[in-house]
Amino acid sequence: GAVVSQHPSWVICKSGTSVKIECRSLDFQATTMFWYRQFPKQSLMLMATSNEGSKATYEQGVEKDKFLINHASLTLSTLTVTSAHPEDSSFYICSPLAASGRANNEQFFGPGTRLTVL
Amino acid sequence: QKEVEQDPGPLSVPEGAIVSLNCTYSNSAFQYFMWYRQYSRKGPELLMYTYSSGNKEDGRFTAQVDKSSKYISLFIRDSQPSDSATYLCAMQEGGSYIPTFGRGTSLIVHP
Repeated sequence: GAVVSQHPSWVICKSGTSVKIECRSLDFQATTMFWYRQFPKQSLMLMATSNEGSKATYEQGVEKDKFLINHASLTLSTLTVTSAHPEDSSFYICSPLAASGRANNEQFFGPGTRLTVL
Repeated sequence: QKEVEQDPGPLSVPEGAIVSLNCTYSNSAFQYFMWYRQYSRKGPELLMYTYSSGNKEDGRFTAQVDKSSKYISLFIRDSQPSDSATYLCAMQEGGSYIPTFGRGTSLIVHP
């Protein structure tokens, strides 16, 4: 399968600070990037969808000014959690979608980033 | 009612047992059905993918889809301790790249 990396894998920060999470598709180009959030023992919840070079589309209830998404290239997308609060503590997972040649059964996920806000 | 229902478990079985994991759904437009395995603190990994109704087998894993009942299953034969993980079902409408996930079932296979 395709290789997707996320950095950092685990981050602890103080309340009020901002945290940037990077997602890279290492062996394919991704025109679309999905960002998910997963709370303990819960399902993956889609936060936003971004296309390379365009503004992200956010799901209902997700604050676009709090979760800044940048998809500047076909291999890199970033999610910045601004002014993080303890309720933002969660597992954040990216899912890049290949530019072409991939069927619906080839949606890959990053290894996730665990964010803990103190 | 959620679009996809999945019992969170945990489901604990002895090594070698046959495991049955299930999901029900309400959206009749779903056409693609997937099962993902997620180890603790890792991203989901695609296990099985099925289009429309029917069965699909891959090694020890068999996926079944019954669209008339809006019910899907994943069977694991000869379960191993290494199968211990959370199994997420997911479904997509035709033409969509955004799956709807179940909450996952935690499986524990003990030696």
